[in-house]
Amino acid sequence: AQSVTQLGSHVSVSEGALVLLRCNYSSSVPPYLFWYVQYPNQGLQLLLKYTSAATLVKGINGFEAEFKKSETSFHLTKPSAHMRDAAEYFCAVKSSSYKLIFGSGTRLLVRP
Amino acid sequence: GAVVSQHPSWVICKSGTSVKIECRSLDFQATTMFWYRQFPKQSLMLMATSNEGSKATYEQGVEKDKFLINHASLTLSTLTVTSAHPEDSSFYICSASAGEAYNEQFFGPGTRLTVL
Repeated sequence: AQSVTQLGSHVSVSEGALVLLRCNYSSSVPPYLFWYVQYPNQGLQLLLKYTSAATLVKGINGFEAEFKKSETSFHLTKPSAHMRDAAEYFCAVKSSSYKLIFGSGTRLLVRP
Repeated sequence: GAVVSQHPSWVICKSGTSVKIECRSLDFQATTMFWYRQFPKQSLMLMATSNEGSKATYEQGVEKDKFLINHASLTLSTLTVTSAHPEDSSFYICSASAGEAYNEQFFGPGTRLTVL
């Protein structure tokens, strides 16, 4: 069975600082991994996805994530945080039955 | 890009009434649609998966008689919360997929249900 664990329910950074949101996965098969962002009272927007091609995946809004099989990780990074990046971020893995299994989410706070 | 809409965006109803939420894929045919529920400050929990023209598959613990799902066409799925109670108040989000295993799900903007 697949699962994801997001370490840190809240991450606070200063504007311009590096953003690092952690995600570890568990999967018995090669995983498809996703990062989504959710702004208040809105649905989810796909930031990026890993589907067994390049291990370094670039997404929208300057975000990227690196798939590390040896560490079973898919951490999300952005070199320089903007105020508009403040939101909830979800890591997800697609199960063998095509369902998305979400992590518990990480709220990113950006300080001015 | 693929766009999914939901209607209404929010609804307030009295306890005991039924509420229907629509999910539409606007520019693609969705062979599979998913319904999620999200409580405040929590993650999304899958309620059910529906394929066009067939009965929905519900997740364990989700009452199929309370949450009626219909996927009558390749662009429309509906979720009806029957005899709603305050504990059904939540944020309901749908997503749609064109079907391949690696294809992403495109999410709707969500519907905020408040049951008084």
